[in-house]
Amino acid sequence: DTAVSQTPKYLVTQMGNDKSIKCEQNLGHDTMYWYKQDSKKFLKIMFSYNNKELIINETVPNRFSPKSPDKAHLNLHINSLELGDSAVYFCASSQELSRTRRFPQTQYFGPGTRLLVL
Amino acid sequence: AQSVTQLDSQVPVFEEAPVELRCNYSSSVSVYLFWYVQYPNQGLQLLLKYLSGSTLVKGINGFEAEFNKSQTSFHLRKPSVHISDTAEYFCAVSGNQAGTALIFGKGTTLSVSS
Repeated sequence: DTAVSQTPKYLVTQMGNDKSIKCEQNLGHDTMYWYKQDSKKFLKIMFSYNNKELIINETVPNRFSPKSPDKAHLNLHINSLELGDSAVYFCASSQELSRTRRFPQTQYFGPGTRLLVL
Repeated sequence: AQSVTQLDSQVPVFEEAPVELRCNYSSSVSVYLFWYVQYPNQGLQLLLKYLSGSTLVKGINGFEAEFNKSQTSFHLRKPSVHISDTAEYFCAVSGNQAGTALIFGKGTTLSVSS
């Protein structure tokens, strides 16, 4: 009954390959996110989706493409992997703001996907 | 623009001692502040949050934080730490629009030894 799950947990691949990371949440949330944590443990937002629509698209190379087939899933596809893409990628989800939810809602994080590009 | 500064990258402490992890923020709009904990090789877990109201916020695992608007701070405290509190702690600030992201500090490594 994991709230936010990611697959795979570990991903080791060669430069130039294309890979995907999947994220699923069973919390009924409307908003999902991808964060990147670098080797110094710094966390930075990459994308956010609200009701399957892209809300935030930070300065991320075009090689990264998120896809949200439905509100419970947000996948991350990475083309032409580079050494600098090695990091831990976290998916998160939260409830949507509304008239009764006026404050930022708690974001629930997945366990992370550890990507190593060789 | 919003930003968060965690003043200490590493905090070593002995078991049962008190600890304070410092966080200062910068924001030109309403401030919503969070502390998350990351145990080794795991995801992030919410410790506590300040949205409005009482400036003293209590969280899980005996942690608390105080929102100080005049000093633009949101320091995290625990009166007596355990070995199991060893982890990475992140302070974060958020806006209030749909899909808005958390802006994280660089993290503080809390190391508790016996």
